[in-house]
Amino acid sequence: ELKVEQNPLFLSMQEGKNYTIYCNYSTTSDRLYWYRQDPGKSLESLFVLLSNGAVKQEGRLMASLDTKARLSTLHITAAVHDLSATYFCAVDGGGSNYKLTFGKGTLLTVNP
Amino acid sequence: NAGVTQTPKFRILKIGQSMTLQCAQDMNHNYMYWYRQDPGMGLKLIYYSVGAGITDKGEVPNGYNVSRSTTEDFPLRLELAAPSQTSVYFCASSYSTGRGDEQYFGPGTRLTVT
Repeated sequence: ELKVEQNPLFLSMQEGKNYTIYCNYSTTSDRLYWYRQDPGKSLESLFVLLSNGAVKQEGRLMASLDTKARLSTLHITAAVHDLSATYFCAVDGGGSNYKLTFGKGTLLTVNP
Repeated sequence: NAGVTQTPKFRILKIGQSMTLQCAQDMNHNYMYWYRQDPGMGLKLIYYSVGAGITDKGEVPNGYNVSRSTTEDFPLRLELAAPSQTSVYFCASSYSTGRGDEQYFGPGTRLTVT
């Protein structure tokens, strides 16, 4: 059974600071996704990482994938309040059915 | 494109009642999924479909049924609702024709069973 663990689960940070969210998974996979969810809203796709060493950046967020370590990171640079949300990583366990296993999510709060 | 749409947005059911959650997509996606989201638990896959007429169980299928008679629609049926089915339900879809097909999510249905 594929397991996906995120840490931390809760993150409170000040505006302007940097931090990293970690996503570890238990099986070989080279397809990993990051989603954002605002309170009471749906999930919005942030990044799709498809190979070892993949790095994607959008604004203050940068995601990377190390398939050998079974680890993805989501790095936040100079956080702003608008980044406050819950961030999920999801791993495709392989095969052709594109089923995703989600982590529990990281609730990020950025304080002024 | 409307993307993935879900109805209703909210619903309160009594224990033992049944209902159908509707999901539709207008992106001509082959793959569709139903998830439930409980507080602090991430999303769990209930059922998925790889095309019209083809469905399969996910991680938590008990108490639910699905059908897929068209590419566009993927309804989720709850029979004999139980308090444990109180959750937010999300429908999603993806192309599935190549690697890295991200899933697009609907707005969700918040269900309370009392």
